[in-house]
Amino acid sequence: DTEVTQTPKHLVMGMTNKKSLKCEQHMGHRAMYWYKQKAKKPPELMFVYSYEKLSINESVPSRFSPECPNSSLLNLHLHALQPEDSALYLCASSQGHGSSYEQYFGPGTRLTVT
Amino acid sequence: AQSVTQLDSQVPVFEEAPVELRCNYSSSVSVYLFWYVQYPNQGLQLLLKYLSGSTLVKGINGFEAEFNKSQTSFHLRKPSVHISDTAEYFCAVTHLFNQGGKLIFGQGTELSVKP
Repeated sequence: DTEVTQTPKHLVMGMTNKKSLKCEQHMGHRAMYWYKQKAKKPPELMFVYSYEKLSINESVPSRFSPECPNSSLLNLHLHALQPEDSALYLCASSQGHGSSYEQYFGPGTRLTVT
Repeated sequence: AQSVTQLDSQVPVFEEAPVELRCNYSSSVSVYLFWYVQYPNQGLQLLLKYLSGSTLVKGINGFEAEFNKSQTSFHLRKPSVHISDTAEYFCAVTHLFNQGGKLIFGQGTELSVKP
């Protein structure tokens, strides 16, 4: 099984709402990633978890809060978002956090902030 | 610091024609190189990767790429494309000492295959 799953597929939220994105993998991977992708642009790295600990935060605003409850799950908690946060949010995982390990991507959550 | 340049933002091509998507990188250290494909409304899928060894790398769906260290290039090729190859293609680079496996992506090339 080489699948990364993400829920929900689509999410519409107001600027005062609190919501969460969920990502799951059952490949035994020990590194997990959150990316943000705007239309016609490459993915931008937001966070990296390695062995369930946050190892990279790419200066992401605090209205995005990641959580890694266990080695298979990754959440992204959203609060007080802005319309410019509307994007495709991609989760990925890799066997380790070394550079040679390929990343497997999920299908993404399409987020619209109104 | 590393960077990646994909030389063509859009590549239109007819079905069954050959195609080359160009990627150049800059880095002061040895690199690892990847090509990903993104179909509409989907996540990214790895096509192929170069870590070391043979400079000609074969991937899925009939794609291949050649690592050229002197030209700092990693161009993607397919001898005969299908309509189903229509997608966005991203070249990405990282290196041995890169913490967390952070990928540096190019801006993407939109491949459009016409009948």
